[in-house]
Amino acid sequence: QAQLQEAGPGLVKPSETLSLTCNVSGASITSGDYYWSWIRQRPGKGLEWIGYIYHSWSTYYNPSLRTRVTLSIDTSKNQFSLKLSSVTAADTAVYYCARVWFAELAFDTWGQGTLVTVSS
Amino acid sequence: QSALTQPPSASGSPGQSVTISCTGTSSDVGDYTHVSWYQQHPGNAPKLIIFEVNKRPSGVPDRFSASKSGNTASLTVSGLQTEDEADYYCCSYAVRKIVFGTGTKVTVL
Repeated sequence: QAQLQEAGPGLVKPSETLSLTCNVSGASITSGDYYWSWIRQRPGKGLEWIGYIYHSWSTYYNPSLRTRVTLSIDTSKNQFSLKLSSVTAADTAVYYCARVWFAELAFDTWGQGTLVTVSS
Repeated sequence: QSALTQPPSASGSPGQSVTISCTGTSSDVGDYTHVSWYQQHPGNAPKLIIFEVNKRPSGVPDRFSASKSGNTASLTVSGLQTEDEADYYCCSYAVRKIVFGTGTKVTVL
């Protein structure tokens, strides 16, 4: 059974880059059956898709975040990462990583989420 | 990018049914079968309860059912139980992107 766990700083300064990693266990990140995705949830708000990555060469981003987001995969560590640049207070949120079924495009396994606060 | 539209709240007594709508456009819900639903209890990560419009993952009770007509998807929770009190989000594919619904808080009276 796959398990995902987010890791990274809980506090980021405005204008800096938010960096998070999702460690995957119980499944191979090189499997062709899945995308690997990031979703965020601002305090008291709904879910917002950030993007997903397939293998290491196909990435899809939320158009509203595309200019600031980079997703990558490290197959040697079986993990994938999120970088969000030029953050502001509006980027304060719980960030989730999730596995996405390739054919059905459904988020079947989620990490527990990690709160990232943007503040000086 | 516009979120899919859901009612902010819905409620029902134990044993009753509640139906949540999810309205999109012909560019997302109306054009694809990749519609899914998620249940989120406070402080927890979302959980997949419906995929491909009306399919349930293993382990999800058959009290949860869903459908789609045109640009609107719907989730029905039958035989409401106290543990069904949660936020529910719909989700759809929309050409090279994913869109979530605005979310519906279901209260069991």
